[in-house]
Amino acid sequence: DQQVKQNSPSLSVQEGRISILNCDYTNSMFDYFLWYKKYPAEGPTFLISISSIKDKNEDGRFTVFLNKSAKHLSLHIVPSQPGDSAVYFCAASHYLIQGAQKLVFGQGTRLTINP
Amino acid sequence: DGGITQSPKYLFRKEGQNVTLSCEQNLNHDAMYWYRQDPGQGLRLIYYSQIVNDFQKGDIAEGYSVSREKKESFPLTVTSAQKNPTAFYLCASSRPGFVREQFFGPGTRLTVL
Repeated sequence: DQQVKQNSPSLSVQEGRISILNCDYTNSMFDYFLWYKKYPAEGPTFLISISSIKDKNEDGRFTVFLNKSAKHLSLHIVPSQPGDSAVYFCAASHYLIQGAQKLVFGQGTRLTINP
Repeated sequence: DGGITQSPKYLFRKEGQNVTLSCEQNLNHDAMYWYRQDPGQGLRLIYYSQIVNDFQKGDIAEGYSVSREKKESFPLTVTSAQKNPTAFYLCASSRPGFVREQFFGPGTRLTVL
């Protein structure tokens, strides 16, 4: 049961334009959402997050939008740069027992920025 | 320079052998996690530990074992009972009060021949 889905395995965008990566989830208990960026043969690095009580969070060129009614979030990168080429993972968080948090990851979207 | 270290980066083992993957962090984080990544799939949680001497199974714990004897260390053993051990293994940790934001190590690619 894939609770977090990224339906686009890949996305190609021209340098300077906007990149929009999408993510859908099914579990209403998720209370926090994150985006991670991953280069080949490296661990993911945290990019940006949003609480379920908000609908937008912005950090420089990166903005995450959350639509709770649609159970959908998106990551906007403006303007896109060649260094943004990587795999992007959407993740959702909810509590486990004893206060621990669990991250559930989507399958990832490979973003390629073309010069 | 704080961070998470995983060694080795590449590991090869024969089928039927147990193998232990190392994970060390000097970030003073309480919680540590092990994930597995397969091609075209997201990261899946194997085990996690919130404090020393305590750990819990994740979604795919079968065929794996862990220990947490020190705050800094969370080794993962891939046993011969794990049916498909070839994968990219990632260790992560999170700091107190910010448990949602997990920091990842560079990963170990295990290939079982």
